[in-house]
Amino acid sequence: QVQLVQSGAEVKKPGSSVKVSCKASGGTFSSYAISWVRQAPGQGLEWMGGIIPIFGTANYAQKFQGRVTITTDESTSTAYMELSSLRSEDTAVYYCARGLHYDSSGYYRYWGQGTLVTVSS
Amino acid sequence: QSVLTQPPSVSGAPGQRVTISCTGSSSNIGAGYDVHWYQQLPGTAPKLLIYGNSNRPSGVPDRFSGSKSGTSASLAITGLQAEDEADYYCQSYDSSLSGSNVVFGGGTKLTVL
Repeated sequence: QVQLVQSGAEVKKPGSSVKVSCKASGGTFSSYAISWVRQAPGQGLEWMGGIIPIFGTANYAQKFQGRVTITTDESTSTAYMELSSLRSEDTAVYYCARGLHYDSSGYYRYWGQGTLVTVSS
Repeated sequence: QSVLTQPPSVSGAPGQRVTISCTGSSSNIGAGYDVHWYQQLPGTAPKLLIYGNSNRPSGVPDRFSGSKSGTSASLAITGLQAEDEADYYCQSYDSSLSGSNVVFGGGTKLTVL
């Protein structure tokens, strides 16, 4: 059974950066799309970007271009999402989710437990 | 402003049938991209409910069904139960001049009366 386990909650100052990890187990890592989705308090789901590890090139939502970097470490089956220039509006729960085999456009059967990032001075 | 439009809320009594709509455009649902649905209970990660417009993952009751037509899709829940009270999100893919992205609806809160 595929499991995605994310790193713990973070509290950050405005203007700083945060890096959240997502460790996969129980299945092939390299050929499945991994996406990051965030959810601000009381709000809906927002796709930030995604990557297929074996290809190595990430695709980002226009809203986050220049501020977000998604990477993977195939040796540890871990995906990372780094968000910079943090502002209070970035306070949210950040989820990683596993998509389809060699397909970045599909659905997410497996989700991490979520990581709360709080941006506060 | 979400690319896919859902009603903010729907409600129904136990045993009734409710539907949740998801309206897109010619660059996403209307372009032939599949629609998927998720259920999110408070404080938990989303759970895949319907994939590929109308397919249920194993373990999802057949009370849940999905359909797609033109630039819209719908999620139907029959035999409403108290445990169905949750937020529901549709998801598709959007490809336009500004790029290609996964897109979500704004979410619909289902209240079981």
